[in-house]
Amino acid sequence: AQSVTQLDSHVSVSEGTPVLLRCNYSSSYSPSLFWYVQHPNKGLQLLLKYTSAATLVKGINGFEAEFKKSETSFHLTKPSAHMSDAAEYFCVVRDNYGQNFVFGPGTRLSVLP
Amino acid sequence: EAGVAQSPRYKIIEKRQSVAFWCNPISGHATLYWYQQILGQGPKLLIQFQNNGVVDDSQLPKDRFSAERLKGVDSTLKIQPAKLEDSAVYLCASSLESYEQYFGPGTRLTVT
Repeated sequence: AQSVTQLDSHVSVSEGTPVLLRCNYSSSYSPSLFWYVQHPNKGLQLLLKYTSAATLVKGINGFEAEFKKSETSFHLTKPSAHMSDAAEYFCVVRDNYGQNFVFGPGTRLSVLP
Repeated sequence: EAGVAQSPRYKIIEKRQSVAFWCNPISGHATLYWYQQILGQGPKLLIQFQNNGVVDDSQLPKDRFSAERLKGVDSTLKIQPAKLEDSAVYLCASSLESYEQYFGPGTRLTVT
């Protein structure tokens, strides 16, 4: 069975500084991995996805994530935070056998001026 | 391309009452999902449909929750009777070939 751990429930950064949101996963089979963002009172939006191609994945709004199989990690990064990045971020795993999507508990990102 | 539509957006009911939510997926998307998102938590899958059939409903509380997908398109999720712990946002998502999911805006349910 798959599972997702997001190591930080809340991350606070200053505008213009780097963002790191951590995600570790467990999957019995080769996984697909996703990051979704949820702004207040808005729907979930896909940021990026890994599906067994390149291990460094670039997404929208300057975000990227690196799949590291040896560390079972898929951390989300951005070089420079913007105020509009403040939101809830969810790491999601789907194993390519079971087809179920499993969400992590989320990390709330605050961006300080 | 129109997105996933859900209605109502908000609903307030008393415990032991019934409620139904509606979802219209993106045209052509065979797979439809219902999630429950309790405040402060990640979404939890309740049920997954592939066309008309149920793929996974292992986390659906079947004593009170039911769902159907009409003709492989629209879907309804029903709770009867509701409990206080059912207060949550109910999210519908659809995907093509069980790959990338597209989410609707959700229905916020408050049970008093």
